[in-house]
Amino acid sequence: DAKTTQPNSMESNEEEPVHLPCNHSTISGTDYIHWYRQLPSQGPEYVIHGLTSNVNNRMASLAIAEDRKSSTLILHRATLRDAAVYYCILRAFYGGSQGNLIFGKGTKLSVKP
Amino acid sequence: ETGVTQSPTHLIKTRGQQVTLRCSSQSGHNTVSWYQQALGQGPQFIFQYYREEENGRGNFPPRFSGLQFPNYSSELNVNALELDDSALYLCASSLDPGARNSPLHFGNGTRLTVT
Repeated sequence: DAKTTQPNSMESNEEEPVHLPCNHSTISGTDYIHWYRQLPSQGPEYVIHGLTSNVNNRMASLAIAEDRKSSTLILHRATLRDAAVYYCILRAFYGGSQGNLIFGKGTKLSVKP
Repeated sequence: ETGVTQSPTHLIKTRGQQVTLRCSSQSGHNTVSWYQQALGQGPQFIFQYYREEENGRGNFPPRFSGLQFPNYSSELNVNALELDDSALYLCASSLDPGARNSPLHFGNGTRLTVT
């Protein structure tokens, strides 16, 4: 299974941008890059996904390297509510696993007021 | 639009017992998957159901089983509970079983404690 590498933890100040990196050097051409986050005492929440081009939505932006071996989740203005564990996941479609998500340990983001 | 709901939110069982956890998928979603999340770890895939049949399974023993009903709701059953089964059990629903660009919508989980 394709794997991702993320820093264990990061800190940010409130209202400043946050760049969360992810390395996925073994990504295949058909893998989508998904980001989820998990707030304390809640289930994971979908943030954004992309294949090759950079993507924007109301929650965040996803910047994907040209060789697709790394990506960066960008929170443009961190709020206290953004404190969570962020997971970078490669979503593939295999006959047996049927596109399930393979979670690593993620990056724990702390936001200081 | 109703999100994914799970019941119960918390449960305490004794080793050797059996447990059933329930999940109602998000409106319009036909695929349900279950994940186990141990403390301090990321969720681990247990299995997925589509059209009432299991169509994908992670590295979990047969005592973990499930059902999906015609209304797409689902159950996770665990027999012969072990202490290591203590975890947060998450249910997720999606529109399509294998679409790589289809996000999963998770419930807030059932916290199972086995004593």
